[in-house]
Amino acid sequence: GEDVEQSLFLSVREGDSSVINCTYTDSSSTYLYWYKQEPGAGLQLLTYIFSNMDMKQDQRLTVLLNKKDKHLSLRIADTQTGDSAIYFCAQPGAGNNRKLIWGLGTSLGVNP
Amino acid sequence: IAGITQAPTSQILAAGRRMTLRCTQDMRHNAMYWYRQDLGLGLRLIHYSNTAGTTGKGEVPDGYSVSRANTDDFPLTLASAVPSQTSVYFCASSPLAGGPDTQYFGPGTRLTVL
Repeated sequence: GEDVEQSLFLSVREGDSSVINCTYTDSSSTYLYWYKQEPGAGLQLLTYIFSNMDMKQDQRLTVLLNKKDKHLSLRIADTQTGDSAIYFCAQPGAGNNRKLIWGLGTSLGVNP
Repeated sequence: IAGITQAPTSQILAAGRRMTLRCTQDMRHNAMYWYRQDLGLGLRLIHYSNTAGTTGKGEVPDGYSVSRANTDDFPLTLASAVPSQTSVYFCASSPLAGGPDTQYFGPGTRLTVL
């Protein structure tokens, strides 16, 4: 079945790089997404990558996609305390209703 | 630009009561969704609607109903609330056009059923 897996927690020091990993099951996904949820708020799209790409960079964010291993990662360079949040990986579900299959989220803690 | 609004922000409800959570979007998106978020269980889809006039069941639809009379509004009703429905509820919408189908989330409703 469709599944997206992430580790639940990550703790880094301010200024270090953070790497959040995700594995997914559906190799036919056209896009893969990273969403961010700050405390007490709804989710916001952080970035996405098209499945024919290996890497996407956007300022401090780098997304790496390994289609062979069905592995997606999000790297945040120079992590700041404001990056403390829950990060969700998501892939489209099967069928034409365009639902997303969500990971459980990785809670990133940044220590000063 | 408001995006998606949800009401109420939070609510404490006695078990057995009926409750409607409101959701309104001003982006003219085709699709709307209701999720619940619980610690350790992530986001679970309750119901969705791909276009006005149609709805579909998600992973955890039991005890909830929705309607989509127009493009902008997608209310979620708990007919007879139970304590296991204590959760944070998020409404979302997406354009369902070509390309990446970004979902836009509301701020959430924190519901406690006693």
